[in-house]
Amino acid sequence: GQNIDQPTEMTATEGAIVQINCTYQTSGFNGLFWYQQHAGEAPTFLSYNVLDGLEEKGRFSSFLSRSKGYSYLLLKELQMKDSASYLCAVRDNNYGQNFVFGPGTRLSVLP
Amino acid sequence: KAGVTQTPRYLIKTRGQQVTLSCSPISGHRSVSWYQQTPGQGLQFLFEYFSETQRNKGNFPGRFSGRQFSNSRSEMNVSTLELGDSALYLCASSLADATTDTQYFGPGTRLTVL
Repeated sequence: GQNIDQPTEMTATEGAIVQINCTYQTSGFNGLFWYQQHAGEAPTFLSYNVLDGLEEKGRFSSFLSRSKGYSYLLLKELQMKDSASYLCAVRDNNYGQNFVFGPGTRLSVLP
Repeated sequence: KAGVTQTPRYLIKTRGQQVTLSCSPISGHRSVSWYQQTPGQGLQFLFEYFSETQRNKGNFPGRFSGRQFSNSRSEMNVSTLELGDSALYLCASSLADATTDTQYFGPGTRLTVL
């Protein structure tokens, strides 16, 4: 089956760097996505990795290691508005499903 | 370009009733997927429609159904509502293939079943 794990909660200070990890187990891997979701709002797309390595997009970077079933989202120069849930999602072609989402990591940025 | 829109945004129903939710995808997007989000289960995939056909389906009972119209708008129906159906229902659209394209989410419909 599929299994995606993320830490439930994390806390960091404004201006700092935080790394949110995601581990997954799936046999039909076809890409890993990170979404940001503020409370009461819809998830918004942050990044997409399908090959190993680091993808950088402004203050956000995402890394993927397919052999280890591991990804992380790196947020630099944290701002208060970065307080949100971060969802890791794997696209799995073997189960007729589009995305399998992890439980999400709730990040709190403190002043 | 307008984003994904969902109506209604909030809905209160009682057990046993049925409900229909609507989703209008981003212009040009032909794939629409539906998800249920609850605090306990997180985001779970319901089904995906493409060209008016259900292409993929998650592990939900038959009380959950949907359809897509020729203009790509989609509706989701839940019959014989149960308390456990209280959730945020999100729809997401993508250009052509939800398995290869990025999905963009709508604001969701928050359903409360009393």
